[in-house]
Amino acid sequence: KAGVTQTPRYLIKTRGQQVTLSCSPISGHRSVSWYQQTPGQGLQFLFEYFSETQRNKGNFPGRFSGRQFSNSRSEMNVSTLELGDSALYLCASSGRQGRGSYEQYFGPGTRLTVT
Amino acid sequence: GNSVTQMEGPVTLSEEAFLTINCTYTATGYPSLFWYVQYPGEGLQLLLKATKADDKGSNKGFEATYRKETTSFHLEKGSVQVSDSAVYFCALLFNDYKLSFGAGTTVTVRA
Repeated sequence: KAGVTQTPRYLIKTRGQQVTLSCSPISGHRSVSWYQQTPGQGLQFLFEYFSETQRNKGNFPGRFSGRQFSNSRSEMNVSTLELGDSALYLCASSGRQGRGSYEQYFGPGTRLTVT
Repeated sequence: GNSVTQMEGPVTLSEEAFLTINCTYTATGYPSLFWYVQYPGEGLQLLLKATKADDKGSNKGFEATYRKETTSFHLEKGSVQVSDSAVYFCALLFNDYKLSFGAGTTVTVRA
């Protein structure tokens, strides 16, 4: 099976702009989660989507949003970019259907630099 | 809340040395535990997992045992190689959706 793919891999934006990142999960996986990785804060959970519904959200401002499509592909959007949004954004997919601990598989990430 | 504390690095070793990275957790209930590895410029790769007490996860020579009594999940490898140089993250999964990660331990193996 192909792994989790993320596009683009690298992105440079200016403060105040907005950005959209894309994630395609492993075939058959319906849960997609997003994480932000920075040197200072480490890995932090952004949100999780399952069957086109956001089911869980981390402690991030409303500038961070996302959605999931019927084919389970997901996008996340960051509006009004700030310098502190520079980070590696990681997408993970999971095969979970109901309760039970299913491992998450990560994509290579999108490196966002805000100048 | 749920949290993971792992040994701070960096850790520098010679090839064929023994590696241990300590990881302890705090959680209500019974989480699943994972070790992920991140190579430079890449995302996270699942290294191994354990879903209940006394489970031992193993992969590529790495092992970790889920110890409920000490709330620990220490990672070990008996003989490291240069290719094991990476950042290692301990993580727990509770309520199925959110991974809580440790701060990461940078391991450098010298030839």
